[in-house]
Amino acid sequence: GAVVSQHPSWVICKSGTSVKIECRSLDFQATTMFWYRQFPKQSLMLMATSNEGSKATYEQGVEKDKFLINHASLTLSTLTVTSAHPEDSSFYICSARKDSTNTEAFFGQGTRLTVV
Amino acid sequence: QKEVEQNSGPLSVPEGAIASLNCTYSDRGSQSFFWYRQYSGKSPELIMFIYSNGDKEDGRFTAQLNKASQYVSLLIRDSQPSDSATYLCAVSAAGNKLTFGGGTRVLVKP
Repeated sequence: GAVVSQHPSWVICKSGTSVKIECRSLDFQATTMFWYRQFPKQSLMLMATSNEGSKATYEQGVEKDKFLINHASLTLSTLTVTSAHPEDSSFYICSARKDSTNTEAFFGQGTRLTVV
Repeated sequence: QKEVEQNSGPLSVPEGAIASLNCTYSDRGSQSFFWYRQYSGKSPELIMFIYSNGDKEDGRFTAQLNKASQYVSLLIRDSQPSDSATYLCAVSAAGNKLTFGGGTRVLVKP
């Protein structure tokens, strides 16, 4: 199988602070990682696609300066929510794909972010 | 028009019955189709994927794909209370990102 580990599983932060979420592929090299956000009772909304060694591609309406994505290695991508506000409270989920031809994606456990 | 559409449910089925979930998509270039199960507060887990027209069976699950009609379905046989979850349909063009439907909530009643 393919295991994707996401950390932390939950975090509470004060408004105005920044939070970093890590996504690691444990037993494979992920050429592409995806970051999603999910609000209660809604589906997953893709925020951005990151490829190792290059800039992330953000979906329309997602602020790249607010949601900083780094994919420095084939096993690690990070999402930093900068200057977090209560409306950023959500469930953030990463997924990783082994290569560009295999579209099957494996999900991390998700991170529940609460901004107070 | 949403790219991937699902009935939000809830779909209520008695234990032991067949649950039938449907999903339609708008992009005719879609090539890969996935069904994920998501329990409340958890991330999605892959149940099945299908690439070719027809049926694909895996245990109690059967995925059906009809590219001409642009729909994909999932059948859950002998439904169990543990199958109660939200089922997400996801679609991808070649080597591209996954687009998710809104999900169908399934309730299996003992």
